[in-house]
Amino acid sequence: QTVVTQEPSFSVSPGGTVTLTCGLTSGSVSSNHYPSWYQQTPGQAPRTLIYSTTTRSSGVPDRFSGSILGKKAALTITGAQADDECDYYCVLSVGSGILVFGGGTKVTVL
Amino acid sequence: QAQLVESGGGVVQPGRSLRLSCAASSFTFSSYAMHWVRQAPGKGLEWVAVISYDGTDAYYADSVKGRFTVSRDYSRNTLYLQMNSLRVEDTAVYYCASVPLSGNYYYYPMDVWGQGTTVTVSS
Repeated sequence: QTVVTQEPSFSVSPGGTVTLTCGLTSGSVSSNHYPSWYQQTPGQAPRTLIYSTTTRSSGVPDRFSGSILGKKAALTITGAQADDECDYYCVLSVGSGILVFGGGTKVTVL
Repeated sequence: QAQLVESGGGVVQPGRSLRLSCAASSFTFSSYAMHWVRQAPGKGLEWVAVISYDGTDAYYADSVKGRFTVSRDYSRNTLYLQMNSLRVEDTAVYYCASVPLSGNYYYYPMDVWGQGTTVTVSS
């Protein structure tokens, strides 16, 4: 069974930079997993930030960027703003059409 | 701008069936693979199923395999999720979503999302 890992929570100061990661309990994440990132505020549908490692979805500001850092996928938020405070999810394509989400990271801006 | 609107949610007893719909507009529905994703109350996102752009391939999470069936109607630009033998643990908001690239990209994660429809399984 494939398990995707994310930090449960992260804090960032307004204007600061934070990097969230997305890993596998066994193995490394690569671009072949098409790592993608989603932002979700309570009661709302997810919003796509990044798909296929680095591609920003339509309308997403360049404060959000995706990459591979070592053995994990990463989402970096620069110039953090108050409305960046919400949940962030990554998902990996693990083969045979199967996708697996991470447990999500709750980001606090304070 | 692509738009997806889910419907069909409601309250249903365990063991019964329900069919969700997802109406697509403002993009070429027949060219994109489509996903279903769900979120139980207070929990994270869970991928449920995907269907290829041409409907020839479909894949499911282990938790729903054999009970749920994804299909699509090109004449109606609509995606469906037929849910049979429902369990209490199927209670969730169900989202449909399209992949970002046209063609045979069923393995790509989601890009455009609908607003979701709520399914409650309870006796």
